Amino acid sequence: GNSVTQMEGPVTLSEEAFLTINCTYTATGYPSLFWYVQYPGEGLQLLLKATKADDKGSNKGFEATYRKETTSFHLEKGSVQVSDSAVYFCALSPTGANNLFFGTGTRLTVIP
Amino acid sequence: GAVVSQHPSRVICKSGTSVKIECRSLDFQATTMFWYRQFPKQSLMLMATSNEGSKATYEQGVEKDKFLINHASLTLSTLTVTSAHPEDSSFYICSAGGSGRNQPQHFGDGTRLSIL
Repeated sequence: GNSVTQMEGPVTLSEEAFLTINCTYTATGYPSLFWYVQYPGEGLQLLLKATKADDKGSNKGFEATYRKETTSFHLEKGSVQVSDSAVYFCALSPTGANNLFFGTGTRLTVIP
Repeated sequence: GAVVSQHPSRVICKSGTSVKIECRSLDFQATTMFWYRQFPKQSLMLMATSNEGSKATYEQGVEKDKFLINHASLTLSTLTVTSAHPEDSSFYICSAGGSGRNQPQHFGDGTRLSIL
């Protein structure tokens, strides 16, 4: 079946610290992988995506690489800002489908 | 970019009331929309897939008579929580995707439903 396992939070970092949020997945075929971000009181926004192995998605300083050999899609940012405080969701979309399977979300708090 | 509008953003009502939530794709046609429910500090759980012009497909454990979905046009899907009770209080989020394989979903801002 399809599932996403995501690093549990919450994560608290100081501004300019390095961020890693781990995500691994189980899927048949070749899913697409996504990171979504949810700011307080808002819906989800697509942060980045990768549709095939070895693709690197990037946006707003965040990066994640689709690693088929380790079935992982870890999110990284070199220097976090207070405005990055949010909940981050890793998700997969199965081959040929549009629905999403989400991880449990990781709450990130960045302190000045 | 693509925009999905969800309305209302917040509803507070008495137990027994039926509540309708609208989800609109503003700048693209969505043959399929998805409805999710998010419990506090938990992930999104897919409730149902809304298909334009046909019946919705519900996930296991979701009561179709409780959560009525209508997808009457390519830009509008509605979720009606019938005879809502306090246990239905939650954050409901819709999403819509463009056509084509593995197109990313675009999410509405969600509706926080509180049943007293």
